[in-house]
Amino acid sequence: DIQMTQSPSSLAASVGDRVTITCRASQSISHYLNWYQQKPGQAPKLLIYDASTLQSGVPSRFSGSGSGTDFILTIYSLQPEDSATYYCQQSHTAPLNFGQGTRLEIK
Amino acid sequence: EVQLVQSGPEVKKPGESLKISCKGSGNSFTNFWIGWVRQMPGKGLEWMGIIYPGDSDTRYSPSFQGQVTISADKSISTAYLQWSSVRASDTAMYYCARPRETGSSHAAFDIWGQGTLVTVSS
Repeated sequence: DIQMTQSPSSLAASVGDRVTITCRASQSISHYLNWYQQKPGQAPKLLIYDASTLQSGVPSRFSGSGSGTDFILTIYSLQPEDSATYYCQQSHTAPLNFGQGTRLEIK
Repeated sequence: EVQLVQSGPEVKKPGESLKISCKGSGNSFTNFWIGWVRQMPGKGLEWMGIIYPGDSDTRYSPSFQGQVTISADKSISTAYLQWSSVRASDTAMYYCARPRETGSSHAAFDIWGQGTLVTVSS
């Protein structure tokens, strides 16, 4: 199985900050990396697929980059509604494992 | 608008059987895979497996192989997740989800059900 490791596990940032979350795969997954946002009591929501493609309807302040084993989710100009847990997921080889999550809190 | 509507919360005793469902709206149910994702209380997301309702081709995560059964009835646009004998450790929220690409078992999940909370307690 391909293991996904996110860092940090949690962070706190202020409105307007730029935030980065890292995801590392245990082996190369090319560009097959997705990012999800989950708010308490809600189902996850797809933000970015194929490492850098923004899902329709997702604000442009969200951006993804990376390939191979190292990937980054960047949130430019953090907004209060961005408080959530973020998960990466590899879609290269089944089982399509998720990272353990990064909890983002707004200061 | 395509939707996945899951069955309601379940409370079971250890050893009981359980089957939860995920019903899709729209005409394209048989053209997309349907996956299942577990989220234990306060924990992260776990990919359990995925089924193609068109021909019932099913793939399981090794972590869940033999522990659950994924099935589908394309005539009623419904996928299922079932247990023959639940345990306390099966207590979790279970989500069904649909990949964003027709016929792809590996695409990102862009449509999610609302989740079914399963509680197993004696």
